[in-house]
Amino acid sequence: DAKTTQPPSMDCAEGRAANLPCNHSTISGNEYVYWYRQIHSQGPQYIIHGLKNNETNEMASLIITEDRKSSTLILPHATLRDTAVYYCIVSGTASKLTFGTGTRLQVTL
Amino acid sequence: NAGVTQTPKFQVLKTGQSMTLQCAQDMNHNSMYWYRQDPGMGLRLIYYSASEGTTDKGEVPNGYNVSRLNKREFSLRLESAAPSQTSVYFCASRTGTGASYNEQFFGPGTRLTVL
Repeated sequence: DAKTTQPPSMDCAEGRAANLPCNHSTISGNEYVYWYRQIHSQGPQYIIHGLKNNETNEMASLIITEDRKSSTLILPHATLRDTAVYYCIVSGTASKLTFGTGTRLQVTL
Repeated sequence: NAGVTQTPKFQVLKTGQSMTLQCAQDMNHNSMYWYRQDPGMGLRLIYYSASEGTTDKGEVPNGYNVSRLNKREFSLRLESAAPSQTSVYFCASRTGTGASYNEQFFGPGTRLTVL
């Protein structure tokens, strides 16, 4: 599975959009981009995934560049409850997930 | 639905003791996983079971054994606990193998300390 690179930490003001970047320059054609988050001490929670098209659900939007070498997770209106560690993971079908150290997002008043 | 449940929530062991961590899911998922998370680190896969009756090693299997008891339950056993196994253990499940997505559902974790 391809490796990902994320900034270790980011801050965001409550109510503003949080844009979390991820680089995955070695992604192969059959690999998906997944995003999970882990709120303090809890088990990780699935957010969204995509292959090549942009995706949106009730939690977030995922923007994948045309060359698929990077992506951005967008939380449109961040709240204090979105403070968490966000993991960007690249994985093929039927594969295991490899969690890195993620991005620690701190949402502030 | 309870989702993925884990027992116990907390455990303290002495070096050399054995114990079994229990995990159960009520979502009729085929695949189940055991991860460990050390402080400040991401999760690392210990063992997984792609379907009932099969188990495979993950990234860090040494010192652990697993049993896929049935479709619902997947247990993790420490035969002789070591301080290096102090960690938070998460169990997860997902709907099946060969799926085009990898949405795993995680339990609340077991916090294990080995003295």
